[in-house]
Amino acid sequence: GDSVTQTEGLVTLTEGLPVMLNCTYQTIYSNPFLFWYVQHLNESPRLLLKSFTDNKRTEHQGFHATLHKSSSSFHLQKSSAQLSDSALYYCALRAGSWQLIFGSGTQLTVMP
Amino acid sequence: EAAVTQSPRSKVAVTGGKVTLSCHQTNNHDYMYWYRQDTGHGLRLIHYSYVADSTEKGDIPDGYKASRPSQENFSLILELASLSQTAVYFCASSDPGTGGDEQYFGPGTRLTVL
Repeated sequence: GDSVTQTEGLVTLTEGLPVMLNCTYQTIYSNPFLFWYVQHLNESPRLLLKSFTDNKRTEHQGFHATLHKSSSSFHLQKSSAQLSDSALYYCALRAGSWQLIFGSGTQLTVMP
Repeated sequence: EAAVTQSPRSKVAVTGGKVTLSCHQTNNHDYMYWYRQDTGHGLRLIHYSYVADSTEKGDIPDGYKASRPSQENFSLILELASLSQTAVYFCASSDPGTGGDEQYFGPGTRLTVL
């Protein structure tokens, strides 16, 4: 079945350094939609960005991601981390149906 | 105004008791969902509904029932609460039929079963 893998459960880095959160997926569907949701402490998840176009960079609020179907990846990046970026990040897949398949999440902590 | 609301926001229940979590949305969305969130497991789908008076099982439905009496309201029912059901529960809505991919989440309900 369809699945999403986020290999890092916890990522800690210093403010100003670049961010990269990994996301890979598995599906037999040839036109998947990929999403990143962000959840700040004591809040609910909200959509950060999404893509369904192969090899096209998608940007929002300083973050960017590129869907690479050849490697089944959709990594989240940011050039310079801010303290306010500390949150739980979920990668999610929609493949051929309405259902979102979520990864296990990556907790990002940005230190001063 | 929040488009998806949940009640209660937190609850302590006893093992074997009945628990009902409620969700209300004003997005006019057809689809509604119940997820549970556990550290290390992410968000897992319990039940969902795409039309009033009908519910469907998600990935982890055992021990839970759902009710959708109207487009706006969707409840999650734990008939016999167990310790393993301690978690944060999120309701969400979306309208994939019109091309809307985004799911809008409620604020969550923190359930503790003792």
